[in-house]
Parts: sequence; structure tokens; C-alpha cells
Amino acid sequence: DTEVTQTPKHLVMGMTNKKSLKCEQHMGHRAMYWYKQKAKKPPELMFVYSYEKLSINESVPSRFSPECPNSSLLNLHLHALQPEDSALYLCASSQDLAGGPGSYEQYFGPGTRLTVT
Amino acid sequence: AQKVTQAQTEISVVEKEDVTLDCVYETRDTTYYLFWYKQPPSGELVFLIRRNSFDEQNEISGRYSWNFQKSTSSFNFTITASQVVDSAVYFCALSGGIQGAQKLVFGQGTRLTINP
Repeated sequence: DTEVTQTPKHLVMGMTNKKSLKCEQHMGHRAMYWYKQKAKKPPELMFVYSYEKLSINESVPSRFSPECPNSSLLNLHLHALQPEDSALYLCASSQDLAGGPGSYEQYFGPGTRLTVT
Repeated sequence: AQKVTQAQTEISVVEKEDVTLDCVYETRDTTYYLFWYKQPPSGELVFLIRRNSFDEQNEISGRYSWNFQKSTSSFNFTITASQVVDSAVYFCALSGGIQGAQKLVFGQGTRLTINP
């Protein structure tokens, strides 16, 4: 089963709201990722978690706050967003690299389409 | 720095035609990995193939085939006898080295439209 699920599918929020995006995988993967994708652009990496610890933060503004409660779950907490943050937010997972020489493919969820008004 | 170039922004063909999507990459790493992903209108990126830098063997999977040539730093993707369901945006991506292996560098994508 190569499924990554994301909720909600669509989210509309005001600039003063606080909301969270959720991602779940049951493939036993130990690396999880958040990407942001604007229209007609490739995905841009935001965060990487490896074994539930934040390993990469691509200089993302603090209004985005990731959390990895356990190996299957990944959250992205949103606060005081700007209209330019409207985008498709994609979650992905992969086997982790600890001790291994390879680089494994990432499996993506269907995304949350976020609109900030 | 790593870079992936997909020079074809959009391609439109008639069903049953063969179509090749180009991908050229730049990296200084000796060990690296190349990927192709498909993104249909639904939004989800679907993994198609992974190839490591030590394996230049071409691969065929049904109507899909991939041509990896290190001499030209290219990893092209061909769809044979295209179908309307192949319509999507296709991304080529690169990850490299050991420390950088968790980071995917994507090309700009090629929007493929298959017309009936």
C-alpha cells in the first residue's frame, strides 16, 4: 500500500486564523516531507523530518510550524498567513537514509489546496 | 549546485503518437539519483521511476521507457502510443550525494496534452 493521505483537501482561511494540515502514511517510512506548490511551478521543499526529528528547514517563515507526533503522522500548523501563501501543500514520505547509501523515491499525498483571504 | 532543465514547457500530440519528454541535469556529485513524477489534474505526484548514477541501463515499463545518458547528462522519457490518460504535468527530479539525498531538485515540468 503506497498511500499517503492528507486532510483537508481544501482549506480557506483568513489571515488571522490558525489552522492545521494533516498527513498520514502507513508504509513504515521514517522520512516525511512538506512541499509547497504554486500554480504552474514545481514543488518547493519546506521541511524534512527524519525519524520524527526535523532535519531540514528550507528557511520557511515561522508562520508555518511543522510537527511530527509519531512516525506515521505529520502536521503543518498555520498562523497569520498571507495571501501569497495560497498554494497546494503536498506531503510526502520515503524510506529514511540512516545507514544507507541510497536515495529512495518519495510518495506523495493528494495535497491540500489552501486559499488565504 | 544541482539543476534540472526541462526545456519543453508544453507538448500537445494526438492520441497514439509517440512523445519524448526531455530532461537535462547538472550536478557535481558522483553519486546521484534521477526521478520522473507524473502530476495529473488531481494534484497528486505519482512516482514513475528512480535511476541511480551508476546504472545507465535503459528501462521499459509497458508504454513508458527511459533513456539515461551520463555523457549528455540527460534522462529522457518516452511514451509510446500515447493515450488521453497520459495527459498530465511531468516532472524530472534529481537528488544527490549522501547528505543531500533527501532533497529533490525538480525541473519546471512539461505539461503534456494528449488529444483524442
